[in-house]
Amino acid sequence: EAQVTQNPRYLITVTGKKLTVTCSQNMNHEYMSWYRQDPGLGLRQIYYSMNVEVTDKGDVPEGYKVSRKEKRNFPLILESPSPNQTSLYFCASSTLSGGSYNEQFFGPGTRLTVL
Amino acid sequence: SQQGEEDPQALSIQEGENATMNCSYKTSINNLQWYRQNSGRGLVHLILIRSNEREKHSGRLRVTLDTSKKSSSLLITASRAADTASYFCAMLINTGGFKTIFGAGTRLFVKA
Repeated sequence: EAQVTQNPRYLITVTGKKLTVTCSQNMNHEYMSWYRQDPGLGLRQIYYSMNVEVTDKGDVPEGYKVSRKEKRNFPLILESPSPNQTSLYFCASSTLSGGSYNEQFFGPGTRLTVL
Repeated sequence: SQQGEEDPQALSIQEGENATMNCSYKTSINNLQWYRQNSGRGLVHLILIRSNEREKHSGRLRVTLDTSKKSSSLLITASRAADTASYFCAMLINTGGFKTIFGAGTRLFVKA
């Protein structure tokens, strides 16, 4: 089954404790992206990657890191989480077609609480 | 912020009525996509319209795009209670890379 998986689905942590949220897709998609969703703000893009070893900042990259060492995986790293990073996080992937990217397939989300 | 804007923020209609949601953006786009989200779950893609297209249909969905006004609309015809969800537009923007900008969403409630 074609899908995007994220782990963990729920996480409660404390300020300053490094964490990683994993994202994996089995569709051989070139484009992968991380978003955060906060009430009333819709989704905001944190980082995206157009292919292996190619990553770029979205609108809200501060406090986050990513890497794309393999095509299928795109982990999100919070080196020193703070309470303002409490949010619902989504990973998504998309394929390249005709010089552009198509619709994105979303993972189920990771609800992160930073105390 | 480059965030797109959607209106209305919330919409409540009766089953069988049509629902229209509007999206506006600030910069040139490569394509525009509409997504649906049920109660904090993952987003589901509904329809994609490219910058050189003006209208697309998919079942009960109709999307229009006016690049001169930098706006798009999503029409759901003959709505059903099961259409109750949040709807988001997302713009793919060529910045050298390809950023994605989402609107803040429209919450649709369809009363049975």
